[in-house]
Amino acid sequence: AQKVTQAQTEISVVEKEDVTLDCVYETRDTTYYLFWYKQPPSGELVFLIRRNSFDEQNEISGRYSWNFQKSTSSFNFTITASQVVDSAVYFCALSDLNTGNQFYFGTGTSLTVIP
Amino acid sequence: DVKVTQSSRYLVKRTGEKVFLECVQDMDHENMFWYRQDPGLGLRLIYFSYDVKMKEKGDIPEGYSVSREKKERFSLILESASTNQTSMYLCASSLAGGGLAKNIQYFGAGTRLSVL
Repeated sequence: AQKVTQAQTEISVVEKEDVTLDCVYETRDTTYYLFWYKQPPSGELVFLIRRNSFDEQNEISGRYSWNFQKSTSSFNFTITASQVVDSAVYFCALSDLNTGNQFYFGTGTSLTVIP
Repeated sequence: DVKVTQSSRYLVKRTGEKVFLECVQDMDHENMFWYRQDPGLGLRLIYFSYDVKMKEKGDIPEGYSVSREKKERFSLILESASTNQTSMYLCASSLAGGGLAKNIQYFGAGTRLSVL
């Protein structure tokens, strides 16, 4: 069965610190997608990244970077030089190609960046 | 830009009322979804639809029904609202088929429903 675990419920950092949000997943499928979404206080989930299971390259987008490791079933998200605007709830999600419509979400990590 | 619009941001209803939550997307997406979000539980799928008049149960369909009469609109119905249905409800849509855009779900701003 598919499962996504975000063990960190809440994290607080001081502005300009780096922070890593952990995501561990379980799936029996060999082909799957992993996602990160950001939910700011306004409520709307904003898509950040999608990674497929065949592509283990790390990705960097500005201050954001993602580390995908199949060996440890992890897809961690790092924010470098955090800013107050990064304060949000972050969700990791899994979708496999066989049931591609359905996402399995983690319980989310609430990040607070203190000025 | 994809836009998913939920008709209400906040809603207060009484126990036993029939409640309609409406969702409209403007990107001709085939797939639409309803989730509820509760603290500590993340997002849980209630129902989804991959075509007009088609629906599939998600993980927690009990107490809910859905309607998809037009491609752009997906309604969530609480036949007889109960206090344990107080929650944040999120609608999402996605493309079907192949290609890079496949599978990304785009979300509305959510409806916070309180059942008293």
